[in-house]
Amino acid sequence: QQKVQQSPESLTVSEGAMASLNCTFSDGTSNNFRWYRQHSAKGLEVLVSIFSDGEKEEGRFTAHLNRANLHVSLHIREPQPSDSAVYLCAVSVNSNNRIFFGDGTQLVVKP
Amino acid sequence: EAAVTQSPRNKVAVTGGKVTLSCNQTNNHNNMYWYRQDTGHGLRLIHYSYGAGSTEKGDIPDGYKASRPSQENFSLILELATPSQTSVYFCASCGGYEQYFGPGTRLTVL
Repeated sequence: QQKVQQSPESLTVSEGAMASLNCTFSDGTSNNFRWYRQHSAKGLEVLVSIFSDGEKEEGRFTAHLNRANLHVSLHIREPQPSDSAVYLCAVSVNSNNRIFFGDGTQLVVKP
Repeated sequence: EAAVTQSPRNKVAVTGGKVTLSCNQTNNHNNMYWYRQDTGHGLRLIHYSYGAGSTEKGDIPDGYKASRPSQENFSLILELATPSQTSVYFCASCGGYEQYFGPGTRLTVL
């Protein structure tokens, strides 16, 4: 069964500094990856979806996927205090299969 | 616009009572999912469905049943609710490369 692990568990950065979050997965045939942001146990806000190796940018959020290394990352450029939230990595083998989540990274952005 | 709605949004139940959480999607997606999320954890899969009439067990199905009477509706049923089932429950629908989540239902079992 797919295992998805996120690191670090928590991260504190200063406003304006780059924030980098990591996610590793165990099934190398995975081809559907998303990063979600969740404020205080509220709904899930999709930030970036990526389906092939390389980079995908959505505003200040950039995902990097390297399936050979079983690794997908999220980089947040110029983070703001409003970006303080839990970030969840979601992985599936294809778009119609089960979605597996990591336990999340708690990001705190200090003014 | 693609949408997944859940009802109720908040529910307080008593131990031993029956609880039904409902999910509706207007996306015409075949696959639907029920997750629960507890503090400090990601989403854990309870049940899922590939289409009307089908239900499959996820990773933590004990104490839960599911029902998919139509393409649009997917329900999660707690026949005998217990305090350990206090959690936030999310429904999702998937089709093609699309994934949409509902806003969540906060369930408290006293």
